[in-house]
Amino acid sequence: GAGVSQTPSNKVTEKGKYVELRCDPISGHTALYWYRQSLGQGPEFLIYFQGTGAADDSGLPNDRFFAVRPEGSVSTLKIQRTERGDSAVYLCASSLDRGESYEQYFGPGTRLTVT
Amino acid sequence: AQSVAQPEDQVNVAEGNPLTVKCTYSVSGNPYLFWYVQYPNRGLQFLLKYITGDNLVKGSYGFEAEFNKSQTSFHLKKPSALVSDSALYFCAVRDRGNNRLAFGKGNQVVVIP
Repeated sequence: GAGVSQTPSNKVTEKGKYVELRCDPISGHTALYWYRQSLGQGPEFLIYFQGTGAADDSGLPNDRFFAVRPEGSVSTLKIQRTERGDSAVYLCASSLDRGESYEQYFGPGTRLTVT
Repeated sequence: AQSVAQPEDQVNVAEGNPLTVKCTYSVSGNPYLFWYVQYPNRGLQFLLKYITGDNLVKGSYGFEAEFNKSQTSFHLKKPSALVSDSALYFCAVRDRGNNRLAFGKGNQVVVIP
């Protein structure tokens, strides 16, 4: 079946601009996650949704970042007043999160470059 | 807080030789443990997991890993490495009390023909 998809694959924006990154999870997966991966590092957790609600947003670095999942499927990560330090690959993942199916399946990522 | 240490930056191994990628973890309770592989310009691919039960778990592409609670380790192994196994490998841990994955910094594996 189809995996996790993310759009756009690349985004270049100017410092101070607003960006939206989209994630389409695997059909039927109720749990959705956003991570950020900087060069040479492992992914860092940002936020987790169970259904429509953000169950854990402890990884969001500041109030310029927020995410929504209004219908419990597609999610959008929104970054206001972008800074050069926001440049990274933003990864989305989804999981069934029941039984023993706790593994998260990742999308290809959106590479964000802030100039 | 949960964390993972992958002590080696790069692992070099000759094709056909055994491959080991080391991982140690820290969690407050019992862990869920995972290995992922990342090929250039591609997303993270799930390899295997430890949830409960047998300490030796088998995954995709001939990989396996052994959960060792006393040493808080979850080393990834493959008996005979292939050139196509050259990639970046990430270990990840999740505390059973939350859904966040904590990743190590990754190990670059280079399999030499």
